[in-house]
Amino acid sequence: SAVISQKPSRDICQRGTSLTIQCQVDSQVTMMFWYRQQPGQSLTLIATANQGSEATYESGFVIDKFPISRPNLTFSTLTVSNMSPEDSSIYLCSVAPLAGETEAFFGQGTRLTVV
Amino acid sequence: GENVEQHPSTLSVQEGDSAVIKCTYSDSASNYFPWYKQELGKGPQLIIDIRSNVGEKKDQRIAVTLNKTAKHFSLHITETQPEDSAVYFCAASTGGFKTIFGAGTRLFVKA
Repeated sequence: SAVISQKPSRDICQRGTSLTIQCQVDSQVTMMFWYRQQPGQSLTLIATANQGSEATYESGFVIDKFPISRPNLTFSTLTVSNMSPEDSSIYLCSVAPLAGETEAFFGQGTRLTVV
Repeated sequence: GENVEQHPSTLSVQEGDSAVIKCTYSDSASNYFPWYKQELGKGPQLIIDIRSNVGEKKDQRIAVTLNKTAKHFSLHITETQPEDSAVYFCAASTGGFKTIFGAGTRLFVKA
């Protein structure tokens, strides 16, 4: 299985500011995803990070709010822009080593609190 | 789009008893069904999965069954232990490009 490192593990931010979360994988992976998990809730897919092109966003999520980069097959960033208290959540990076019917692995998450 | 329903939301069992969590999915094209365990302060950990061409899969105390006709799949944990206490998520995927998660089941195993 892939080893995924997410930074930071947690942060407390002021409203109106932005935070960039990094996801580093120990091996090249085909697919990288970003999820949000609100307190006590399930996981909601924000977007698929595509290498060398714009991310594919799910309904309800937009690039201006959640810009994503993926410069290579082992690294991606998610930025939470112009934060409000409603953005307080756990943000999770997920990777699938191969496209198709394959397992996906998660990082430990970034616990974000906006005050 | 795909919708995954998971029941129960909370499950409390005595140590040594079995625990069963059930999920249904809506998209008949779904072909991959993973189960994740999430402990407090950690990311979800894949514990078992099943693909659409298999009806049952077992790994030690954990088993998963799939009924494609009824669009049901279930997680069975036997001989539960306190360390099994966690939140469990079922999920459904079509080709691994998008995974839809159930709402989660909080399992308590009482010693």
